[in-house]
This record gives sequence, structure tokens and C-alpha cells, in this order.
Amino acid sequence: GAGVSQTPSNKVTEKGKYVELRCDPISGHTALYWYRQSLGQGPEFLIYFQGTGAADDSGLPNDRFFAVRPEGSVSTLKIQRTERGDSAVYLCASSLRASGRYLNEQFFGPGTRLTVL
Amino acid sequence: AQRVTQPEKLLSVFKGAPVELKCNYSYSGSPELFWYVQYSRQRLQLLLRHISRESIKGFTADLNKGETSFHLKKPFAQEEDSAMYYCALLKAAGNKLTFGGGTRVLVKP
Repeated sequence: GAGVSQTPSNKVTEKGKYVELRCDPISGHTALYWYRQSLGQGPEFLIYFQGTGAADDSGLPNDRFFAVRPEGSVSTLKIQRTERGDSAVYLCASSLRASGRYLNEQFFGPGTRLTVL
Repeated sequence: AQRVTQPEKLLSVFKGAPVELKCNYSYSGSPELFWYVQYSRQRLQLLLRHISRESIKGFTADLNKGETSFHLKKPFAQEEDSAMYYCALLKAAGNKLTFGGGTRVLVKP
């Protein structure tokens, strides 16, 4: 079946603009995660959804970042007033369940490379 | 807060030689540890997890709680093992993965 998909694959924007990044999880997966990966570093957690609600948004760096998952499937990460430091690869992952042995394996999407000029 | 450290940014080995990727973590509870791999132009994917105690593609990793380590080993590296490897930790009853900085493995012919 299809894996996690993310659109766009690349996004170039100017400082101060607003961007939206989309994630389509694997069908039936209830948990969805956003991570950010800066150059030369490992992924860093941003936010996690269980169903429609954000269960943990402790990784969002500031209030310019916001994410939604209104119907418990597709999620959108929104960044307002982008800054050059926001440039990174944004990864989405989904898992069948949020917890439980083997049920919580996170499957990653290909990522969206965001460049803020 | 939990932390994962991968001290080697790059490991370069010859085909057929052993390879060991180091991973150390700091966490006061009982974590779940993973190794993820990213091959060129592919997405991040799970290689193995400590609870499964399996050997995947010839790789094994043992959780050493005394040394808080989860090193990844393969006795005979192959060229197709060239990739980025990330060690990751999941807190007990947690959901978010904490990743190390990654180690690039280059297997030379």
C-alpha cells in the first residue's frame, strides 16, 4: 500500500511569508508526528497528534508554528512570518497506534525541504 | 530531558570488514531504543528495535542499560550498507522519538 506522502517535496519562500506543508499518513494510522531536520542533524520532534487532537506540541519552537489535523487523517503544518532559520527538511510520520509494542512503529514520509530566502 | 549521542559523524570501512556504530543515551527511565537508516534518495526507515532482538540485514544491536548504550554492529559490511544511520529513543509510555545526530557509513569496495 501507499506510504506516508508529503507535499510539496520542495518549497522556496521569502522571509516573512506564510507556508503550509501537507502530510497524508498511511490509511488507518491514528497517530501522526511532525519532525524537523536541520542540515547535519537528526530529526527533532515538533508535534504529535492522536486522532484530531494535538496530544503533545512541546517541540514547536514558537507561536509562528501551528499544525492541524481536522479529520484525523491529513495534517497541515503552518508556519507564519517565516525566517531563514526555519529552513530545514520537515518530516511527517504516522503509526498505527500511539503506544503498544510494535503498534507504535513510526513510518516516515519523504519530507518537505523548506528554504527561506 | 532525554538525549541520544552518536559520537561518529562518519565511518568509512572496506567491504567485508566489521562495522560498529556507537550510540549512547541519557534517560532515567526504561526507554525503547531504535536504529533508523536512510539510504541515498530514500526515506527514513526502521532498521531494528531493541525489543525485537532480531538481526536485520546482518545488523544486531544490544541494549546495555549499565553503560546506557545501544551500539549497532555488523561483522561483514557490504557496499549496500552505505547510508545514514540514526539511533533513536522512545521514553517509557512516550510517543515522540529523540534522535541522535546520525552517522554516515561509507563501505568502500
